[in-house]
Amino acid sequence: EVQLVESGGGLVQPGGSLRLSCAASGFTFSSYDMHWVRQATGKGLEWVSAIGTAGDTYYPGSVKGRFTISRENAKNSLYLQMNSLRAGDTAVYYCARGRGSSWDYWGQGTLVTVSS
Amino acid sequence: QSALTQPRSVSGSPGQSVTISCTGTSSDVGGYNYVSWYQQHPGKAPKLMIYDVSKRPSGVPDRFSGSKSGNTASLTISGLQAEDEADYYCCSYAGSIWVFGGGTKLTVL
Repeated sequence: EVQLVESGGGLVQPGGSLRLSCAASGFTFSSYDMHWVRQATGKGLEWVSAIGTAGDTYYPGSVKGRFTISRENAKNSLYLQMNSLRAGDTAVYYCARGRGSSWDYWGQGTLVTVSS
Repeated sequence: QSALTQPRSVSGSPGQSVTISCTGTSSDVGGYNYVSWYQQHPGKAPKLMIYDVSKRPSGVPDRFSGSKSGNTASLTISGLQAEDEADYYCCSYAGSIWVFGGGTKLTVL
């Protein structure tokens, strides 16, 4: 059974940093692109970052230069390093497995709150 | 990159059909056959319902179908059931980035 379990969320002050993790199981992690998608409370979904099987990375303009996605295949783990956090980054962050240009499995999410 | 445009809400009675539209541009929806649709119930993670415009993952009922014409994609749900009441999001690949629609709340009357 495919499982994705996020961790590392919490309360952080504006300008601070946080590192999210996603533990994957039930599939060959190294063979899949992986993504982070976020959702502010009561709002829609927003794609945050992607990492390919070769380690190539992609970001939207809203987080480029502040967020860094990485993976550790030996540990079946995905990470998101978030720096220079802003109030607008407050959201539930989901880890999702890529299926071509869509996402077929999602974790349950971890809440990041940026507030003083 | 602007978000894709979806109606904020749609509704239908059990057994009826509803269609949710998703309008983008030639840089996203119109430029690639990579539109996907997600269903999200309150407090739950999104679930993939349609990928690559019209393909259904295993386990998704054939009551759900997708299509695209020009810069607009559509999700049609036929034979509405109470459990279909949820938020629905479209998403399009846009050349190394992905863009979502704002979401549509489906109410089953």
